[in-house]
Amino acid sequence: NAGVTQTPKFRVLKTGQSMTLLCAQDMNHEYMYWYRQDPGMGLRLIHYSVGEGTTAKGEVPDGYNVSRLKKQNFLLGLESAAPSQTSVYFCASRRDNRGFGGYTFGSGTRLTVV
Amino acid sequence: DQQVKQNSPSLSVQEGRISILNCDYTNSMFDYFLWYKKYPAEGPTFLISISSIKDKNEDGRFTVFLNKSAKHLSLHIVPSQPGDSAVYFCAARTNGGSQGNLIFGKGTKLSVKP
Repeated sequence: NAGVTQTPKFRVLKTGQSMTLLCAQDMNHEYMYWYRQDPGMGLRLIHYSVGEGTTAKGEVPDGYNVSRLKKQNFLLGLESAAPSQTSVYFCASRRDNRGFGGYTFGSGTRLTVV
Repeated sequence: DQQVKQNSPSLSVQEGRISILNCDYTNSMFDYFLWYKKYPAEGPTFLISISSIKDKNEDGRFTVFLNKSAKHLSLHIVPSQPGDSAVYFCAARTNGGSQGNLIFGKGTKLSVKP
């Protein structure tokens, strides 16, 4: 049982380049999330999805796009990377919104934009 | 405006003593509060939670206390162990809107010295 898997683990981009971060979960969770973590800023929500085919904006969505074509996958895209997007990105998933279900996080993707 | 605040960026404690990590919040609509623990190069892992209708929840060495009138919660670790050294994030969930998304504090780095 792998849980939440993020690929790649590390990436260096040049300003203006594009890339896609992949998040895959094998727990049949409905909800999936993308967070970024910056020094002194904690975890901030970029986008989230409450089910296959749905996406919604979080706290800091600008410069990112997402897609949830399959229930198990949540993709985060950077169309034109900027140095301000240098961060550690975490994907998380949750079973549903009934009662309380804790988030399961991936191990993160460290992205540097030069 | 920060809705979940962890005002101490770091805390150093001797092994065997008590660690107390604090968290304040501003939104009275939060219905669940959680603590996550994060080691370097890993994703956050769920530690303990408390519902807003309770004032205490205990799990082994970890106890979370909630003071709703003061909008304050704390995590007590007794006794502290070197393996507890990590960054601890306080998080809160709103009932109703935003699909129950979690809002995280900035984290407190705990160092437990042997």
